[in-house]
Amino acid sequence: DAGVTQSPTHLIKTRGQQVTLRCSPKSGHDTVSWYQQALGQGPQFIFQYYEEEERQRGNFPDRFSGHQFPNYSSELNVNALLLGDSALYLCASSLAVAGSTETQYFGPGTRLLVL
Amino acid sequence: AQKITQTQPGMFVQEKEAVTLDCTYDTSDPSYGLFWYKQPSSGEMIFLIYQGSYDQQNATEGRYSLNFQKARKSANLVISASQLGDSAMYFCAMREGGFNKFYFGSGTKLNVKP
Repeated sequence: DAGVTQSPTHLIKTRGQQVTLRCSPKSGHDTVSWYQQALGQGPQFIFQYYEEEERQRGNFPDRFSGHQFPNYSSELNVNALLLGDSALYLCASSLAVAGSTETQYFGPGTRLLVL
Repeated sequence: AQKITQTQPGMFVQEKEAVTLDCTYDTSDPSYGLFWYKQPSSGEMIFLIYQGSYDQQNATEGRYSLNFQKARKSANLVISASQLGDSAMYFCAMREGGFNKFYFGSGTKLNVKP
């Protein structure tokens, strides 16, 4: 049973560029959430996708956008990169069941460095 | 106000001893879930244990147990018989209501000494 996978594992970009990160959820999961984790801090919620729509969004600017595909995989896009966007980006998948006790399972993350 | 507070930036414990990592939470939602994750230096968040707000018993998973004190809004993680491989960052997280949006604390770095 494959867990959550993310690509690429590492990425180096320069300010002003755009980046796309990819995530495949755990088998059987239909919901994907993205988190940004700056060095030495806890993960911060960016947004969540379910049924190919953004269901919730954290306190992140519109430069951060996403997409979910029919096979439940997801992309995170960041435009006009800033130095402060350097972080570990974590993808988490879960199953959207009402009243569920389901936890989120995380991928290994993508380390983004913006120079 | 912070949803999740972890007041111990770093902890040391001797191998084979027990250690408690503190977590307090803030919510007005009667339905919520509390989670603990372990994050080794590799970066991956590893799920350890879950406690639901309506659960009467404290959750246990192997060497991990969650000391849930609802009135105090605390959900401390207890690791028994610490091992060198337990050295990592530990994050407490909360999910409110039926959504899978998690709020994370700032983490506690645990170092297990031989």
